[in-house]
Amino acid sequence: GNSVTQMEGPVTLSEEAFLTINCTYTATGYPSLFWYVQYPGEGLQLLLKATKADDKGSNKGFEATYRKETTSFHLEKGSVQVSDSAVYFCALSLNYGGATNKLIFGTGTLLAVQP
Amino acid sequence: KAGVTQTPRYLIKTRGQQVTLSCSPISGHRSVSWYQQTPGQGLQFLFEYFSETQRNKGNFPGRFSGRQFSNSRSEMNVSTLELGDSALYLCASSLATGGLGYTFGSGTRLTVV
Repeated sequence: GNSVTQMEGPVTLSEEAFLTINCTYTATGYPSLFWYVQYPGEGLQLLLKATKADDKGSNKGFEATYRKETTSFHLEKGSVQVSDSAVYFCALSLNYGGATNKLIFGTGTLLAVQP
Repeated sequence: KAGVTQTPRYLIKTRGQQVTLSCSPISGHRSVSWYQQTPGQGLQFLFEYFSETQRNKGNFPGRFSGRQFSNSRSEMNVSTLELGDSALYLCASSLATGGLGYTFGSGTRLTVV
């Protein structure tokens, strides 16, 4: 079946540290891949996306590259800030020629950045 | 451009009651999906509506239902509430079928007592 596996949290970093949150997927077909972020008490915000192999999504200093050969979509940021503290979700979506699809989420990774 | 609006933001209900949650998508978005978020099960897909038709349904009991109106607004209903239905219910909209990504609302926090 289709699934997303992401690293367990919490991830605790000091401000300005390098961030990597690992995400791998299993999918029948060619999924689109997403990273969503959820701040306390809020819904999900789309952070970045990639729709085909080797695409790199980027936003607000975060990056992730769609690696088909390793079925991965790891999230990275060169220098984290306290304001980046949140839960990060990796997700995939399969779209078969316009047919309906849904987002399949990983379990989420809590990131805590300390000043 | 207004985002996805969910109402109410918080809700407390008693076991056995029913509840209706509302979602207004971004203007022009025709697809609306619903997700349940709980600490134990994470984010789980409930259903998706596109042009007033349910296109996909997750593995939830028949107590969970939804509908979409001609203006793309959507409602979901949960009947005979159970304690385990306590969750954050998230609505997401997209232009078509989500390939470009969904925009989520802030959610409705339902507590069943």
